[in-house]
Amino acid sequence: DADVTQTPRNRITKTGKRIMLECSQTKGHDRMYWYRQDPGLGLRLIYYSFDVKDINKGEISDGYSVSRQAQAKFSLSLESAIPNQTALYFCATSDRTGDNYGYTFGSGTRLTVV
Amino acid sequence: GEDVEQSLFLSVREGDSSVINCTYTDSSSTYLYWYKQEPGAGLQLLTYIFSNMDMKQDQRLTVLLNKKDKHLSLRIADTQTGDSAIYFCAESPSNDYKLSFGAGTTVTVRA
Repeated sequence: DADVTQTPRNRITKTGKRIMLECSQTKGHDRMYWYRQDPGLGLRLIYYSFDVKDINKGEISDGYSVSRQAQAKFSLSLESAIPNQTALYFCATSDRTGDNYGYTFGSGTRLTVV
Repeated sequence: GEDVEQSLFLSVREGDSSVINCTYTDSSSTYLYWYKQEPGAGLQLLTYIFSNMDMKQDQRLTVLLNKKDKHLSLRIADTQTGDSAIYFCAESPSNDYKLSFGAGTTVTVRA
């Protein structure tokens, strides 16, 4: 099984619909992140969480919300999807200890809003 | 992100060396990373370097850091078709803080 699992892998939804993207991890990491990837723009941070009680906005949080249900689970919601939220979404985790550098990424969720 | 810049495309012949360049603006960047994204996949950490280092070598990969110019490069020796991917430069002020990514460089390896 993957260390960081995202569901669904692909989703097509209509404008105005509410949609939730889910992320679960078996790494035991405290820190979890949601990024979106757009061609030519790289990855931009939407929200991040340093533990279950700590949620922080990233650079592009408008139109999104998150929930950290447990250490291992971090979900991203689009309350009313719009076409410019069509993108590839990645969940990532990281560890506060000094032995582990960088992030572990999920395989991504490709979201299309029509 | 706007704090990290990369050229968007690189084409290289199989067997040649590839050099991917990155510049960053945050002088407090402590950790600098290179990630690889293959088609349909997530990002895979290739290598990282601390800001107090000038160079790091790991098999075919060589990372050079010019802290004065805030310039980072990734050299791939003997480039293979399996190296075709998007390569992202990223920086962070600490090893577990949020990362800022460049736009990614698409490397195409031609026969």
